[in-house]
Amino acid sequence: GQNIDQPTEMTATEGAIVQINCTYQTSGFNGLFWYQQHAGEAPTFLSYNVLDGLEEKGRFSSFLSRSKGYSYLLLKELQMKDSASYLCAVMDSNYQLIWGAGTKLIIKP
Amino acid sequence: IAGITQAPTSQILAAGRRMTLRCTQDMRHNAMYWYRQDLGLGLRLIHYSNTAGTTGKGEVPDGYSVSRANTDDFPLTLASAVPSQTSVYFCASKEGVDTGELFFGEGSRLTVL
Repeated sequence: GQNIDQPTEMTATEGAIVQINCTYQTSGFNGLFWYQQHAGEAPTFLSYNVLDGLEEKGRFSSFLSRSKGYSYLLLKELQMKDSASYLCAVMDSNYQLIWGAGTKLIIKP
Repeated sequence: IAGITQAPTSQILAAGRRMTLRCTQDMRHNAMYWYRQDLGLGLRLIHYSNTAGTTGKGEVPDGYSVSRANTDDFPLTLASAVPSQTSVYFCASKEGVDTGELFFGEGSRLTVL
């Protein structure tokens, strides 16, 4: 079966750095996505990785290792507005997105 | 209209009633999707459409039907609602099956009593 695993909840301090991990087992691989979802809102796109390595976009970076079936989202200089759920999704061989359950990130002052 | 519009945003429905959730996009995206999101679970695909005139079943299609008569509209119908269909429903679209990021509507919160 296909499976995406990520921690259920994480807590971090404002101004700090946090790393959210995602491991996956899917039928084929056509890229990995990270989305941010604030409570009561729709998910919004953060990043896309299809090749191994690190993609940096401002305070957010995303890393992929296809051989290990592993990705992480790195958030730097945390702000209170970063409190949200972070969703990992993998596009499988049929170009369908398989979603993890999401990681709820709590930022404390 | 900009992006994806869903209606209604919230609805309380008696079990056994028929309900259609509307979804319209103005980005001329070919691929459209309906997901449900329940606490503790990832987004689960109900139905999808790779292009106008075609539809397919996702992970949890039972009790739901869709149509794609044109590029812009992708309504989701619950023929006879049951309490287990209480959920938040998201419509989403992207440029093509294998291209682009997924854009989401604001969601429709449905409660079936």
